Amino acid sequence: AQTVTQSQPEMSVQEAETVTLSCTYDTSESNYYLFWYKQPPSRQMILVIRQEAYKQQNATENRFSVNFQKAAKSFSLKISDSQLGDTAMYFCASDTGANSKLTFGKGITLSVRP
Amino acid sequence: DAGVIQSPRHEVTEMGQEVTLRCKPISGHDYLFWYRQTMMRGLELLIYFNNNVPIDDSGMPEDRFSAKMPNASFSTLKIQPSEPRDSAVYFCASSLSATGYTFGSGTRLTVV
Repeated sequence: AQTVTQSQPEMSVQEAETVTLSCTYDTSESNYYLFWYKQPPSRQMILVIRQEAYKQQNATENRFSVNFQKAAKSFSLKISDSQLGDTAMYFCASDTGANSKLTFGKGITLSVRP
Repeated sequence: DAGVIQSPRHEVTEMGQEVTLRCKPISGHDYLFWYRQTMMRGLELLIYFNNNVPIDDSGMPEDRFSAKMPNASFSTLKIQPSEPRDSAVYFCASSLSATGYTFGSGTRLTVV
């Protein structure tokens, strides 16, 4: 069974600064995928970034990047140059590919202060 | 591409009534998932289908819940009879062999 843990319930960051959201996971699979999803107040689930476990290079998408530490089973999300529109709940998730179902963490509420 | 389409967006019903939530996945996607989101339990997988066949329904809370996927372009989640504790946001998502998941906008269900 997979588990995903997000231990920080909420964080706050000043606009234009950088913030890092933490996530750890546990899986017995050798090949898996990791994701960060954003859920703004509109409640739409939006894919932010995706990492394939067999790739050592950390994924990046514009201002969003991950720090993937496979041995430590850690998958943190870094948001650079934070914007007010980044205010949302962020979910870390994993998927083995074999059974193709996402397992989510509890989420973290991020507030960007003007 | 219109994305994953869910209806209704909001549903308010009385306890004991039947509720049907609907989902149209992205054309060509072979996986369809139903998730429930509550403050207490977060996002829970209820059931998922592969090529219209239910693969894992272990997350379905009770026999009051049922899901069908009669064809590749339509799925329903039914609750009969509904109870106040079923109040939640229900999400449908689809994917193409786990290469990426797209979520619908969700249905907010309130059972009074």
